[in-house]
Amino acid sequence: GQSLEQPSEVTAVEGAIVQINCTYQTSGFYGLSWYQQHDGGAPTFLSYNALDGLEETGRFSSFLSRSDSYGYLLLQELQMKDSASYFCASQLDAGNMLTFGGGTRLMVKP
Amino acid sequence: SQTIHQWPATLVQPVGSPLSLECTVEGTSNPNLYWYRQAAGRGLQLLFYSVGIGQISSEVPQNLSASRPQDRQFILSSKKLLLSDSGFYLCAWEGQGVFYGYTFGSGTRLTVV
Repeated sequence: GQSLEQPSEVTAVEGAIVQINCTYQTSGFYGLSWYQQHDGGAPTFLSYNALDGLEETGRFSSFLSRSDSYGYLLLQELQMKDSASYFCASQLDAGNMLTFGGGTRLMVKP
Repeated sequence: SQTIHQWPATLVQPVGSPLSLECTVEGTSNPNLYWYRQAAGRGLQLLFYSVGIGQISSEVPQNLSASRPQDRQFILSSKKLLLSDSGFYLCAWEGQGVFYGYTFGSGTRLTVV
């Protein structure tokens, strides 16, 4: 089976840096991706890691450690519009189906 | 550019009624297509995926079914809805080959009453 764990809620202040962690237990793991979802909206793709290390995309970075079955999403220079739910999702090597974690609700305060 | 259309946006249906949700993709060919369901405040659960016309794989046994009658059309159906079918239904696509992440449709919020 597959399971991904992430914190249910994180709160941070505008301008700060926040890290959202994700640990996974999957057989046949291939890669980890991250999605952002605002209330009432659809998830949007943020980042993807198939190899160990850090991937940077503007204010967002994602990290993967395959040996630790662990990844994180790093959000810098937080803005109010970053308030949303963030999901990690594991990809199997047998195809591109994704299994999603339960999501982390990020609240950015002034 | 590629776009994905999903409709309707919201739907209220009585228990026991049929369901048909449609998803179409434009600007690409032979996409992989997916149906996910999301309960309120929860993660996304994969329901069905398709790698080609007429090819459907089911991840969760239930009273839902899916069909892919055309390359860029994916339909989610039910003959008789249950209360537990309520949720946010999302269609997604991604291209064949190198993985660049899913693109989701805007979703259908289904309430079964």
